[in-house]
Amino acid sequence: QKEVEQNSGPLSVPEGAIASLNCTYSDRGSQSFFWYRQYSGKSPELIMFIYSNGDKEDGRFTAQLNKASQYVSLLIRDSQPSDSATYLCAVMEAGGTSYGKLTFGQGTILTVHP
Amino acid sequence: DGGITQSPKYLFRKEGQNVTLSCEQNLNHDAMYWYRQDPGQGLRLIYYSQIVNDFQKGDIAEGYSVSREKKESFPLTVTSAQKNPTAFYLCASSKAGIGSNEQFFGPGTRLTVL
Repeated sequence: QKEVEQNSGPLSVPEGAIASLNCTYSDRGSQSFFWYRQYSGKSPELIMFIYSNGDKEDGRFTAQLNKASQYVSLLIRDSQPSDSATYLCAVMEAGGTSYGKLTFGQGTILTVHP
Repeated sequence: DGGITQSPKYLFRKEGQNVTLSCEQNLNHDAMYWYRQDPGQGLRLIYYSQIVNDFQKGDIAEGYSVSREKKESFPLTVTSAQKNPTAFYLCASSKAGIGSNEQFFGPGTRLTVL
């Protein structure tokens, strides 16, 4: 059973700080990695995806991938109260009939306080 | 306006009843997915389909059934064999094949067993 692990939190940061969310995965063959944000009672929305080792930046968000350590993270700079949500890490299996299938972590609850 | 629709938003079921959740997309995506989310948990894959008239079981398919007669539609039936069906059900779609990536989610159906 392929696993994706996240610290469930809650993670609390002050407004303007950097929030760091972490995720580890068990399938060394995984190729694609996704971060979704989910507000309470709503469906997940994609924030970022990353395929290659290193950093990928999009506005206030930076995704970091280290395939050797099987570790992916999401940094949120200048955190705002509107960033308060559950952040889901998802890992896509590679190859065969499973292509496109995502395995999700349990999510990390982030609270940004004024 | 392209997107994924799910209906109904809320559904109440008596024990022993089968119910069907609707999912429709007009994004011209080949692949469609059904997930279940329990409180404080991540998403678990029920069934997925990468092409019309074909679908595969996910991690928790027991007690559920699906059909994929049209590209746009992927209904999920929760049968009486599903012992604990109360949950938030999410439908998603994505492009299929090499280069496919992010899954887009519908607004969800919240099912409660009375």
